[in-house]
Amino acid sequence: GAVVSQHPSRVICKSGTSVKIECRSLDFQATTMFWYRQFPKKSLMLMATSNEGSKATYEQGVEKDKFLINHASLTLSTLTVTSAHPEDSSFYICSASKAHRGYFGPGTRLTVL
Amino acid sequence: GESVGLHLPTLSVQEGDNSIINCAYSNSASDYFIWYKQESGKGPQFIIDIRSNMDKRQGQRVTVLLNKTVKHLSLQIAATQPGDSAVYFCAETLPGNQFYFGTGTSLTVIP
Repeated sequence: GAVVSQHPSRVICKSGTSVKIECRSLDFQATTMFWYRQFPKKSLMLMATSNEGSKATYEQGVEKDKFLINHASLTLSTLTVTSAHPEDSSFYICSASKAHRGYFGPGTRLTVL
Repeated sequence: GESVGLHLPTLSVQEGDNSIINCAYSNSASDYFIWYKQESGKGPQFIIDIRSNMDKRQGQRVTVLLNKTVKHLSLQIAATQPGDSAVYFCAETLPGNQFYFGTGTSLTVIP
């Protein structure tokens, strides 16, 4: 199988602070990881593609300076929500591909007060 | 992203009945499709996949049908159980392995 983990699972922060979310592929290497955002009762929205050793590719409408992505190794990608605001509150999910199949992390619930 | 949508946002079925969840996609170049199940507060879980050179694929209690002519996918769940209650998403894969998700269908199984 293929396991993807995320940390933390839940985080609450104050407006203006930055929050880092980690995504790890535990038993395989992933040159590419993906970050999604999901609002309640809505579908997953692809935010960006994280490429190991190079810059992330952001989807249209996603602010790259707001959502910083770093893919420093073949098993770790991080998403940093900078200067968080209440409207950034959401469920963030990462995925990594193995043999064309996407494996998803358990998600991180971010609440910005 | 590409448009991948579902026809039915909610579906309620009696336990033991078969469920059919539909999905339309827009990119005729997509060559790989996946159905995911998502339970509340959790990440999506892989159910079954199908490549564009296939029309049908069966798994354990699940079958995916692909109609490329009308760009339509369906997920059939046989003998639906309470544990099948969840939101189901179809996703299409584009070059680069990005997965674009449809709207989702919430399946409720009535005991």
